Amino acid sequence: KAGVTQTPRYLIKTRGQQVTLSCSPISGHRSVSWYQQTPGQGLQFLFEYFSETQRNKGNFPGRFSGRQFSNSRSEMNVSTLELGDSALYLCASSLSGLATEAFFGQGTRLTVV
Amino acid sequence: KQEVTQIPAALSVPEGENLVLNCSFTDSAIYNLQWFRQDPGKGLTSLLLIQSSQREQTSGRLNASLDKSSGRSTLYIAASQPGDSATYLCAVSQYNQGGKLIFGQGTELSVKP
Repeated sequence: KAGVTQTPRYLIKTRGQQVTLSCSPISGHRSVSWYQQTPGQGLQFLFEYFSETQRNKGNFPGRFSGRQFSNSRSEMNVSTLELGDSALYLCASSLSGLATEAFFGQGTRLTVV
Repeated sequence: KQEVTQIPAALSVPEGENLVLNCSFTDSAIYNLQWFRQDPGKGLTSLLLIQSSQREQTSGRLNASLDKSSGRSTLYIAASQPGDSATYLCAVSQYNQGGKLIFGQGTELSVKP
C-alpha cells in the first residue's frame, strides 16, 4: 500500500514569503502530525490533526498553522518566513494517533534565503 | 516535562558486531515507545513499536526492550551490516497527548566493512 506522501520535496523561499506544504497520509489513517527537524533542535512537534480538528499543538509561533481535509490530507502553512525556518519538515500518519504506529513521509526540505 | 535521551550520540563498529543502542525517558507514563531509522536527508522508517504493557518486540535482527519503571529502552542489533549505517531515533507517546511523539536526539551508527 502507498506510504505517506509529502509534496514538494524541496523548496527555496525568500524571507518574508509564505509557504504551504502538503501531506497525504496512508489510506485509512485519520491522524496526521507535523514535525520540524533541524541539526540543533532535533525533531520538534508542530501539531496534530485528527478528523479535521487540531488535537494537539507544539510550542511554535502562530506563523505556523495547519489544516486537515475530509480525506485526511493535511497542509501546513508558514507565513512571514524567517531564516531560522529552514529545516526538514516531516509529516507522520497513524490510524488514530493514540498508541498506534506512526509512519513518516520523506519530508519537505525548506530553505529560506 | 518528558525528556528523551539517547546515548551514545555516535557509534562506529566493525561489520558483524552485535550492538546496543540506549534510550531513556524521564516520565514513565507513556503509551508506547517507537524506534525509527533515518538515512541522511530522508524521512523516518519505523522499526519497532513497543506498547507500554509489553517488555520487548523483535523484527529480524532487531530486538527492542522496554523497562517502563526505570524509564529505559534498548535496541539490540545482531550481526551488524554496513547497510545498518543510519541515525536511530527513539520516541515516546504519552497519555492525553494524542499522537504527539517526543524524540531523542538520535544515535548515529556507522558500520565499517
